[in-house]
Amino acid sequence: DAKTTQPPSMDCAEGRAANLPCNHSTISGNEYVYWYRQIHSQGPQYIIHGLKNNETNEMASLIITEDRKSSTLILPHATLRDTAVYYCIVRVPSNAGNMLTFGGGTRLMVKP
Amino acid sequence: DSGVTQTPKHLITATGQRVTLRCSPRSGDLSVYWYQQSLDQGLQFLIQYYNGEERAKGNILERFSAQQFPDLHSELNLSSLELGDSALYFCASTKTGWNGYTFGSGTRLTVV
Repeated sequence: DAKTTQPPSMDCAEGRAANLPCNHSTISGNEYVYWYRQIHSQGPQYIIHGLKNNETNEMASLIITEDRKSSTLILPHATLRDTAVYYCIVRVPSNAGNMLTFGGGTRLMVKP
Repeated sequence: DSGVTQTPKHLITATGQRVTLRCSPRSGDLSVYWYQQSLDQGLQFLIQYYNGEERAKGNILERFSAQQFPDLHSELNLSSLELGDSALYFCASTKTGWNGYTFGSGTRLTVV
């Protein structure tokens, strides 16, 4: 799996957009970008994933650069409940479902 | 409720003892993964089972073992417990061909 680099921490004001960057310069053509988050001591929660097109769901938007070497997770209107550690993971999905490898992630603090 | 059920939620035991953690995956999910998260540490992959068979091993100690039963629930057995085994233990499951993983709420193990 390709290595990812994320800032260790970020702050965001409540109600503003939170933009979380992730660098994955060694990503290969068949690897997807996944985002998960872990709210304090809870199990990680799937947010969104994508291959090369931008993706949006009810939780967030994922913007992947054209060269696919970096991506940004956007929480459009951050709330206090979005305070969590956000993990960017790059991997090839498989039918057998290989394990996820979690790095350090970005600790997002949403402030009132 | 994520659909992945872990029991018990909390467990306190003494050093040298043995415990069993249980995980029931989401309905229809064939793969089960176990992760360990020590205090302020990242998520460490332990082991994966797919449809009853061991599929991948991570940093799992020899004192630890797991299995997946015909009804697809899984158990993680931890023996000769040490203080350093105190951690959150998460189980995750996934469907074949689906890209996301669903995590349970975890078991918090405290070894005293």
